Amino acid sequence: EPEVTQTPSHQVTQMGQEVILRCVPISNHLYFYWYRQILGQKVEFLVSFYNNEISEKSEIFDDQFSVERPDGSNFTLKIRSTKLEDSAMYFCASSVQGMGQFFGPGTRLTVL
Amino acid sequence: KNEVEQSPQNLTAQEGEFITINCSYSVGISALHWLQQHPGGGIVSLFMLSSGKKKHGRLIATINIQEKHSSLHITASHPRDSAVYICAVISPPGNQFYFGTGTSLTVIP
Repeated sequence: EPEVTQTPSHQVTQMGQEVILRCVPISNHLYFYWYRQILGQKVEFLVSFYNNEISEKSEIFDDQFSVERPDGSNFTLKIRSTKLEDSAMYFCASSVQGMGQFFGPGTRLTVL
Repeated sequence: KNEVEQSPQNLTAQEGEFITINCSYSVGISALHWLQQHPGGGIVSLFMLSSGKKKHGRLIATINIQEKHSSLHITASHPRDSAVYICAVISPPGNQFYFGTGTSLTVIP
């Protein structure tokens, strides 16, 4: 069964460093998403991406964040100059139009 | 302010019981999702619906657009149903996503 994969499963970084979280969506999916979940809190939407551009972003997704689909398979989330409050689980998801989303297993980001 | 409210926050049931989880929202929506988050953190999409009712195995999801309310029902609950169930809506025109805080379900054998 096709699945969304994410790497790494756990990333530890120092405050101020840049991190790139990677996702491989399901191959025929066209819509891609990033979410985050701070420990003990609800899931929050970050950004959606379609046709090689951002289609929607939340107020959390500020200039510190960027997304890219550098090739035909990967979908990345870059966080520049990480802050302590960026520590969270980051989930990637993908979908086809009009269908439910398939979620990846998440990357736990710890900023020290 | 919470655009999506779920109730109850926590629910404990005996195996075999019929379970209902409620979701109310305050924004206009184009679709509503029910998600299941396992104890290990993984998220699975259970349903996406914009009207009526959907059924998958022992799970049933309903939505009333006029009342801005959705329910997730689990029939013949089982311990493996223990998880957090999350309601999320997509709100036009910008297709912003709003999530509920989740309902933590524990089914006791």
